[in-house]
Amino acid sequence: NAGVTQTPKFRVLKTGQSMTLLCAQDMNHEYMYWYRQDPGMGLRLIHYSVGEGTTAKGEVPDGYNVSRLKKQNFLLGLESAAPSQTSVYFCASSYFNPSMTGEMRGYTFGSGTRLTVV
Amino acid sequence: DQQVKQNSPSLSVQEGRISILNCDYTNSMFDYFLWYKKYPAEGPTFLISISSIKDKNEDGRFTVFLNKSAKHLSLHIVPSQPGDSAVYFCAASDGGSTLGRLYFGRGTQLTVWP
Repeated sequence: NAGVTQTPKFRVLKTGQSMTLLCAQDMNHEYMYWYRQDPGMGLRLIHYSVGEGTTAKGEVPDGYNVSRLKKQNFLLGLESAAPSQTSVYFCASSYFNPSMTGEMRGYTFGSGTRLTVV
Repeated sequence: DQQVKQNSPSLSVQEGRISILNCDYTNSMFDYFLWYKKYPAEGPTFLISISSIKDKNEDGRFTVFLNKSAKHLSLHIVPSQPGDSAVYFCAASDGGSTLGRLYFGRGTQLTVWP
């Protein structure tokens, strides 16, 4: 199983350009998340989705949009990239049932997309 | 406001000794806690977890302790190995109300030196 796949792995953008980061999961998970990781700031939630066709804002949603048209895919868009959006982006997915224990209660993460905006 | 806090951004330990990583939380509704390990250029991976009904969970060299009254948990690695050098994230889940959403601390960079 591939798990969670993020594309692209690296990208350099010029200020003002747009791009879309793709996240795909093959585990039939209901919930998907987009995080950014910056030095000293840990993992900050940008947007998340609790099911196909639904999205919600996380802690740092400004400057980003998302779509979940298919259950297995979660897209993160930057309409007009800014240097402050230089970061490593992680997608994650999960399935929740309160009776689950251990690793099943957690997320499966992709390997990340390193984005540089110049 | 951060509900899960890791107040030590870094920890340096000699190989063979114990590493203790700490985590504090504020939400008494958290019912499950997890630790993730992250190497450079990789996504975080699950390490160990503990339910709020327990005070200790052990898996090989890794043990997590939970003190509910203090809203504190710690991860012990004994003995520490150079391959343990990574960023460790503490995470908490409040189960039903947010469908298992995890709240993460900012991470602790562990360096194990020979």
